[in-house]
Amino acid sequence: DVKVTQSSRYLVKRTGEKVFLECVQDMDHENMFWYRQDPGLGLRLIYFSYDVKMKEKGDIPEGYSVSREKKERFSLILESASTNQTSMYLCASKPGGNTEAFFGQGTRLTVV
Amino acid sequence: AQTVTQSQPEMSVQEAETVTLSCTYDTSESDYYLFWYKQPPSRQMILVIRQEAYKQQNATENRFSVNFQKAAKSFSLKISDSQLGDAAMYFCAYRRTQGGSEKLVFGKGTKLTVNP
Repeated sequence: DVKVTQSSRYLVKRTGEKVFLECVQDMDHENMFWYRQDPGLGLRLIYFSYDVKMKEKGDIPEGYSVSREKKERFSLILESASTNQTSMYLCASKPGGNTEAFFGQGTRLTVV
Repeated sequence: AQTVTQSQPEMSVQEAETVTLSCTYDTSESDYYLFWYKQPPSRQMILVIRQEAYKQQNATENRFSVNFQKAAKSFSLKISDSQLGDAAMYFCAYRRTQGGSEKLVFGKGTKLTVNP
């Protein structure tokens, strides 16, 4: 089975902190994604990566950056956390081609 | 840009009955994929069913089937013989097949409640 693992299910951080959300997949997938999920807004794409060290902005990249130094790991970075970044963050991965995406279990981040 | 619209924020159904969740999308592409994902309280997103736009036949997976109307840009999900375990958020999603972009565009979701 494909496994996408997010390092934390729940996280509480203070305003202004630098926050790292980690995601690891074990199936050698080329593509990895970070989504943000908010009630009434669905899933919105923050960033995605189609190869090591390659990345593209999604629909809401402001306030975020990403890192993909190894194929299996995709990190989301909040440079200076703010309360409006309190949300559920979902990581996903997929191989190339017309296949499904596999999701992690999400990280619920609270910024206080 | 592609958009996906789910017009029903919440739906409810009696156990063993049938329910249909609506989804419309906007695209200028002729070839693409459409998906329904389920997110139960455990938060794990699970693929329910997928449809390739060039296939006219509606996809079916056990109790789950879709009504794909390409001209109308409509992609509804029908759940037959609803079970308590079907209670979840359901998200409709779109992905283009050309141009190399692998990203999924999601709707805002429909919360389905199944009443015993």
